[in-house]
Order: sequence, then C-alpha cells, then structure tokens
Amino acid sequence: QSVLTQPPSASGTPGQRVTISCSGSSSNIGSNSVNWYQQFPGTAPKVLIYNYSQRPSGVPDRFSGSKSGTSASLAISGLQSEDEAGYYCATWDDSLNHWVFGGGTKLTVL
Amino acid sequence: QVQLVQSGAEVKKPGASVKVSCKTSGYTFTIYDINWVRQAPGQGLEYMGWMNPKTGVTGYAQKFQGRVTMTRDTSTTTAYMELRSLKSEDTGVYYCARGYDYYHGMDVWGQGTTVIVS
Repeated sequence: QSVLTQPPSASGTPGQRVTISCSGSSSNIGSNSVNWYQQFPGTAPKVLIYNYSQRPSGVPDRFSGSKSGTSASLAISGLQSEDEAGYYCATWDDSLNHWVFGGGTKLTVL
Repeated sequence: QVQLVQSGAEVKKPGASVKVSCKTSGYTFTIYDINWVRQAPGQGLEYMGWMNPKTGVTGYAQKFQGRVTMTRDTSTTTAYMELRSLKSEDTGVYYCARGYDYYHGMDVWGQGTTVIVS
C-alpha cells in the first residue's frame, strides 16, 4: 500500500491530453515539493517534473505538473506513442522522514 | 558528468544477505544524500531509505528497519546497501539514486542491480 495514491492505469490516443493524479496528505504533498518520474521497461526511472512544475532540460513542454492542496497532477498534452511508460509521483514525508512514492501509473497510447 | 554505477546481479538463497554497491563520480560525494529504491518484478517503485554520505546518518523505511544497513566509503565515493535475512519477496531490481534536494528530488539514478532470491 503506497503512501501516495495514483490510478494504476491511464490511456489516450495520439494527440490527446492525459492527466495522472497523485493524492497524498498534509505531511507529504501538502507541505513538500512533488516530483514525477518516467520509467520505461528495463530502465531506471528518470526525472520528468521536479518542484511541482519544473522540467529538467530535455523534457518536452508537453509535460506539465501542478499541485492543489494535498494532491498533484501530471498532464501530458499532444500524446505520442513514445510516451507509453510508467509514471510515478514522489515527495518527502515529514512524518516518516523519508521519500515516498505513488504506486505508479502505466500509460498506454492506443 | 554525474554517474552512479552499481554492482552486478546477485543470486542468493533465502536467509542470506546481499550487499549492493553504488560507485559515484562527477560530483562531490559528501554533499548529496544517496537513496535506495527497489522494484519487484512487474511492480512499482518502493522506497527503502537514505544515507547522508558526509555524516553517515541514515533513515530507513519502516518496512526495512532492522534488516537493511546503508553505509559508505568516502575514499572511493561508493555507497552500499546491505539487506539481510533475504526472502523470495526481496527479488527485484535495486536502484541507488542521488538526492539533490527536497525540490529536485532524486535526480540521477544508477542502472539498477538485479537480486534474485531463490
């Protein structure tokens, strides 16, 4: 049981906009920055979004992040087939004193 | 460039221990935490704990308390994660990741080390 809650799956057709949610609590998302990771099968995760909405260099601006209260969201616009991957949210938890992850969302591009 | 290179795959019997190494380069080792994350086959990312390489202070997820030890060798800029009393459920890929700060999170990851308990 993950501390952060994500939908296990999401899907969309090429060109569509897809949103993945991440729900937490006041001790984690409610008081700390949220990061999003993208993971392809057999490879290590990669930072997609940090500090709620910032993109590392090289990440397309089709990817965006936001936060409201104790929830965060990752939006992917102009969906492409190469976006098919696993997506994980993560943040620091002040009560646990360590990082916590969401259970992950597998994105399928139909 | 910043790199984290992990040790090779391991096969262990139930009840044994495994020690995974994470050799860092390209930055000052003592400035940033090293985190450990594991992923069981077909499952999500599971956070194990963190270590401050400068002080050696650690913080473990409750699930692994008493069974995991994270250490470092500052002379070789290498971090280690030892997991004891292995069970079949410990089979998976173990990653080390640099913790840049609370805003950037875990910004650079190792390639992963497969541990099979059988």
